[in-house]
Amino acid sequence: GQSLEQPSEVTAVEGAIVQINCTYQTSGFYGLSWYQQHDGGAPTFLSYNALDGLEETGRFSSFLSRSDSYGYLLLQELQMKDSASYFCAPTRDDKIIFGKGTRLHILP
Amino acid sequence: GAVVSQHPSWVICKSGTSVKIECRSLDFQATTMFWYRQFPKQSLMLMATSNEGSKATYEQGVEKDKFLINHASLTLSTLTVTSAHPEDSSFYICSATGFGAGGVDEQFFGPGTRLTVL
Repeated sequence: GQSLEQPSEVTAVEGAIVQINCTYQTSGFYGLSWYQQHDGGAPTFLSYNALDGLEETGRFSSFLSRSDSYGYLLLQELQMKDSASYFCAPTRDDKIIFGKGTRLHILP
Repeated sequence: GAVVSQHPSWVICKSGTSVKIECRSLDFQATTMFWYRQFPKQSLMLMATSNEGSKATYEQGVEKDKFLINHASLTLSTLTVTSAHPEDSSFYICSATGFGAGGVDEQFFGPGTRLTVL
């Protein structure tokens, strides 16, 4: 079957580092994407991992372990504008399956 | 980056009427467009996948006669909610991929359309 787990909420302090974990069970798995969505807005693409390892894009990094069906998004030097929902999204069969998302709260 | 627009950004309609939402790729040819629905504080639920020139593929549980999808050109897909009811009130978002613009892993999303059915 299909399953996707990520924490519903995470709170961190401005300037800190936060890691959002994701575990999945997805048949026909291609890779793992991460999207950011601010309240009332549309999702925006952050990163994609097709192979095991760490991908770094500025303050954001994403990791994938295919053997563990696990990935994470790492956000460094947190800024208030990073307050948003973050979706772990496995890709299979030419479509993306979105998880329930992690609401990130940033404290000043 | 690739830009996708949606129109209208919000719409209020009476129960029983039909509403059409447009999704356009502005600077690339969208071979595939996806339609999602999102309820407040919920995840995005994929409704259907539409490839230019062919019939849309609907996800399980989505009524194809209620949610009519047309993808007649490489830059435009439309979603028509027929005989809308209050339970259809939601945030409808389209995304697109195509030539020179991402792939299945990187979809470009429109800004969404908020539908309220009275």
